[in-house]
Amino acid sequence: SQQGEEDPQALSIQEGENATMNCSYKTSINNLQWYRQNSGRGLVHLILIRSNEREKHSGRLRVTLDTSKKSSSLLITASRAADTASYFCATDLRSYNTDKLIFGTGTRLQVFP
Amino acid sequence: NAGVMQNPRHLVRRRGQEARLRCSPMKGHSHVYWYRQLPEEGLKFMVYLQKENIIDESGMPKERFSAEFPKEGPSILRIQQVVRGDSAAYFCASSARQGSGEQYFGPGTRLTVT
Repeated sequence: SQQGEEDPQALSIQEGENATMNCSYKTSINNLQWYRQNSGRGLVHLILIRSNEREKHSGRLRVTLDTSKKSSSLLITASRAADTASYFCATDLRSYNTDKLIFGTGTRLQVFP
Repeated sequence: NAGVMQNPRHLVRRRGQEARLRCSPMKGHSHVYWYRQLPEEGLKFMVYLQKENIIDESGMPKERFSAEFPKEGPSILRIQQVVRGDSAAYFCASSARQGSGEQYFGPGTRLTVT
């Protein structure tokens, strides 16, 4: 089963509004990452937050991590039409000497101009 | 400073044929990961390789799929006797060292089995 599940599955907003996406996971992690994927394209790494961090910022992105609730959120402020994409969280379990990432199901964000 | 390169970008195969997908990691990266993405789904881990070694193949189907990362040249994901269910996007990622956290993804190869 998937380690991560994003909520909501789809989100539609107007340009200028904020978009919040949530990710829940099941087991202990070393870090959690957020990726963006434009339709039919590869993944772009957005931000990594380690298990001992609670909040991280990068430009218009703000990520929080609550290890007690096994959840993370990605906030995109002042959204733009170019932010339209699918967003995935991925966890690094670092078990058995491997760095494999376990991806969530994704949130499809649509930003209308 | 080229990123992760994958080729071909699109591959069409008939059922029963072989598919070979190539991945060249970022310069200086010796860790390669392969993931598969079915339509409307997230990525699923397949295999993790270092040069000449398979470290974790827990996500690889037991039959028809194999991967290698030779001392020289790209990493290869090979699918023998493809079936329609193999149609997906296959992504390769690389990292500089284990435990670095970040993996850099290539543009993917979209395999269509007809």
